Amino acid sequence: QTVVTQEPSLTVSPGETITLTCASNTGAVTRDFFPSWLQQIPGQAPRTLIYSISQTYFWTPARFSGSLLGGKSALTLSGAQPEDEAEYYCLLYYDGAWVFGGGTKLTVL
Amino acid sequence: QITLKESGPTVVKPTQTLTLTCTFSGFSLSTSGVAVAWIRQPPGKPLEWLALIYWDDDSRYSPSLKNRVAITKDTSRNQVVLTMTHMDPIDTGTYYCAHASFFYNPGMYSFGSFDYWGQGTLITVSS
Repeated sequence: QTVVTQEPSLTVSPGETITLTCASNTGAVTRDFFPSWLQQIPGQAPRTLIYSISQTYFWTPARFSGSLLGGKSALTLSGAQPEDEAEYYCLLYYDGAWVFGGGTKLTVL
Repeated sequence: QITLKESGPTVVKPTQTLTLTCTFSGFSLSTSGVAVAWIRQPPGKPLEWLALIYWDDDSRYSPSLKNRVAITKDTSRNQVVLTMTHMDPIDTGTYYCAHASFFYNPGMYSFGSFDYWGQGTLITVSS
């Protein structure tokens, strides 16, 4: 069974930088997994912030960026804002199937 | 402007079949590189991908649910339908449909993202 692992929870101070990661139990995450990152604020539908490792949408705040780091997909938030407090999900593609990570609850405090 | 909206029953009895409809606008599911996916989320739990249907009518299913789930499309009505059989209380949750984009690289299409989401519909399985 394919498992995608994220940090369950992280805390960041306003204005600070933090990196969330996403690992696969099948091995290193590469571009072939087309990793994306989604943000979900409580009570709302998810929205994709990052796709294909590091690509962004017009709605993606510039403080969010994506990369591959040490065999994992990574989401970096540079200069956290109170409104960034949310659940963040990683999504990986496995040859015709998609698997979400367990989510990281990010607290801005 | 791309929009999607899920509709269906709010309560389903155990063992019954769930039928959900995703009605969308702003794109055509006959356009190459376009797909629609279904994703669900039990209360307080992570997202789970269920199924996806491509522009060419090909489809993919979560291995853990493939015996219970079917996805179809009606391109003329701009709708995608998900059916899930043998519903159980553990299937309770919010069900989302999402627009998926695939990008053409020479010789093949590559996954982009689930870029537009519906608001979701809460399905409760209870007798």
